[in-house]
Amino acid sequence: QVQLVQSGAEVKKPGASVKVSCKVSGYTLTELSMHWVRQAPGKGLEWMGGFDPEDGETIYAQKFQGRVTMTEDTSTDTAYMELSSLRSEDTAVYYCALRNRDAFDIWGQGTMVTVSS
Amino acid sequence: EIVLTQSPATLSLSPGERATLSCRASQSVSSYLAWYQQKPGQAPRLLIYDASNRATGIPARFSGSGSGTDFTLTISSLEPEDFAVYYCQQRSNWRELTFGGGTKVEIK
Repeated sequence: QVQLVQSGAEVKKPGASVKVSCKVSGYTLTELSMHWVRQAPGKGLEWMGGFDPEDGETIYAQKFQGRVTMTEDTSTDTAYMELSSLRSEDTAVYYCALRNRDAFDIWGQGTMVTVSS
Repeated sequence: EIVLTQSPATLSLSPGERATLSCRASQSVSSYLAWYQQKPGQAPRLLIYDASNRATGIPARFSGSGSGTDFTLTISSLEPEDFAVYYCQQRSNWRELTFGGGTKVEIK
């Protein structure tokens, strides 16, 4: 049974970067398509990007291009999402989620990132 | 970008009643539509994928229908644990994946 465990909450100042991790257990990361979704307080879900197995590359939502980097450490089956140039609007819960066919069927528990001066 | 519009924003019903949630796409997404349930403080949970297929472990009272631009999630008889927020999501293009704004199903 695949499980995703994310790193703990972060508090960052505007302009800083944050790196959130997501460790996979029960499967090998190389055989999975990992994505990231965020949710601002009281708001809906927003897709940030993820691995496209059809093209073999990581794709990013246009809104985050140039500011987000998604990487994987296959030796530890851990995925990472780094968001730079943080602003207050980036305050949100960040989720990792696994793509299965056309949806996300396994989710991490979420990581709260607070951006505040 | 394909915009998904969910309605109503809030649905007030009693346990045992039937819930009908709508998701409309700004252009055709074929059958590439999923539904999720989210409770406070929890991650979303996949209910339906490809418009009408229930995910593993999802009770039969949840059903999805539709194709193209109009989709429906139906909960045939609400259980106390079904009161939550529901989101639709399309992936007609994996490079432009979007979610709807959500429908809150609350206890009347």
